[in-house]
Amino acid sequence: EDQVTQSPEALRLQEGESSSLNCSYTVSGLRGLFWYRQDPGKGPEFLFTLYSAGEEKEKERLKATLTKKESFLHITAPKPEDSATYLCAVQASGTASKLTFGTGTRLQVTL
Amino acid sequence: SAVISQKPSRDICQRGTSLTIQCQVDSQVTMMFWYRQQPGQSLTLIATANQGSEATYESGFVIDKFPISRPNLTFSTLTVSNMSPEDSSIYLCSVEGVNVNEQFFGPGTRLTVL
Repeated sequence: EDQVTQSPEALRLQEGESSSLNCSYTVSGLRGLFWYRQDPGKGPEFLFTLYSAGEEKEKERLKATLTKKESFLHITAPKPEDSATYLCAVQASGTASKLTFGTGTRLQVTL
Repeated sequence: SAVISQKPSRDICQRGTSLTIQCQVDSQVTMMFWYRQQPGQSLTLIATANQGSEATYESGFVIDKFPISRPNLTFSTLTVSNMSPEDSSIYLCSVEGVNVNEQFFGPGTRLTVL
């Protein structure tokens, strides 16, 4: 059974204080690893898909990396508007696009 | 990316009743997905809906409880039947993008069952 574990559950940072969120996964053949941002009361917003170990993708202050067992979402010099829940999901080969999600990391960035 | 809308955005219902949630996409898509997000838990796939065929349900979800329609390539409905307080949740539809390894989500429907 595919599993995704995210840590920490919650993270509080001061503006400008860089950090990383972790997503550990077990999957029977990885087709893709997805990162989403979710604001309160809204649906998840797509950020990245990573496909193979060693791959990296960047978007503004966010950079996602992937190994064979985990993914990191690095947040560089965060701003208060980066406050959200960050969700990680995996898609296994041969599962017709099904995503298995972790429970997310709630990030709060304060001034 | 696809623009997805859902109706209603939220509702409060009595136990034993049913609610139908609509999902509309601004472009034609092959696959649509329905997820549930219970308080404090991760998103869980309920079923996959392809146009012209019956929906495929995940383990733990059955058609009698969550009937789904997919009448065309831009629209789907999910009905939550014979509701109980345990069905209180956010229900989300999603679609694949042009790149099949991108999935986009609607804003969700927040359901409270009393």
